[in-house]
Amino acid sequence: KQEVTQIPAALSVPEGENLVLNCSFTDSAIYNLQWFRQDPGKGLTSLLLIQSSQREQTSGRLNASLDKSSGRSTLYIAASQPGDSATYLCALDTGRRALTFGSGTRLQVQP
Amino acid sequence: EPEVTQTPSHQVTQMGQEVILRCVPISNHLYFYWYRQILGQKVEFLVSFYNNEISEKSEIFDDQFSVERPDGSNFTLKIRSTKLEDSAMYFCASRPQGAPGANVLTFGAGSRLTVL
Repeated sequence: KQEVTQIPAALSVPEGENLVLNCSFTDSAIYNLQWFRQDPGKGLTSLLLIQSSQREQTSGRLNASLDKSSGRSTLYIAASQPGDSATYLCALDTGRRALTFGSGTRLQVQP
Repeated sequence: EPEVTQTPSHQVTQMGQEVILRCVPISNHLYFYWYRQILGQKVEFLVSFYNNEISEKSEIFDDQFSVERPDGSNFTLKIRSTKLEDSAMYFCASRPQGAPGANVLTFGAGSRLTVL
């Protein structure tokens, strides 16, 4: 059974810092990995999707990498802003039509 | 940008009552999902739906739950007799046809269910 772990559980940084969020998974047989953003009491917004054949994806200040062999993905946020404050979730698609989610990293960017 | 729309945004119900949560997926999407998130816990898969039938369900999705696509636009989740532990945020999601893993899942804003 796929297990997804996210470290750290919470992170507080001053505005402008670059930061890395980590996601690890136990089964490397995945189709893709998605990073989502969740604001308090709100839905999930997809940030980046990395196909299993890809190593990384970039969107603006966000860069996500995938290393299937080691069962790891990272989400890099450059020049963090207070508006980046949210919970970041990684989720794996094993092709069985259901995503398996991590428990998330709660990010607070201090102005 | 196309959205997945969910109603109601918040519903409070008494234990034992039936609840129907509604979703309007993106119009050209063919795969539909329900997930839930109990407060402070992970987002969990409940059920997937394709071609008018359930394609996969989790152990959470027991006989108290059912899904339906009553017309060409709505996708509903029914809980027959709610329990306290059904209190959660319920998310609907959809994706278009395509190879497994090829497409991003688009989530709705969620329906918060509170069972008293």
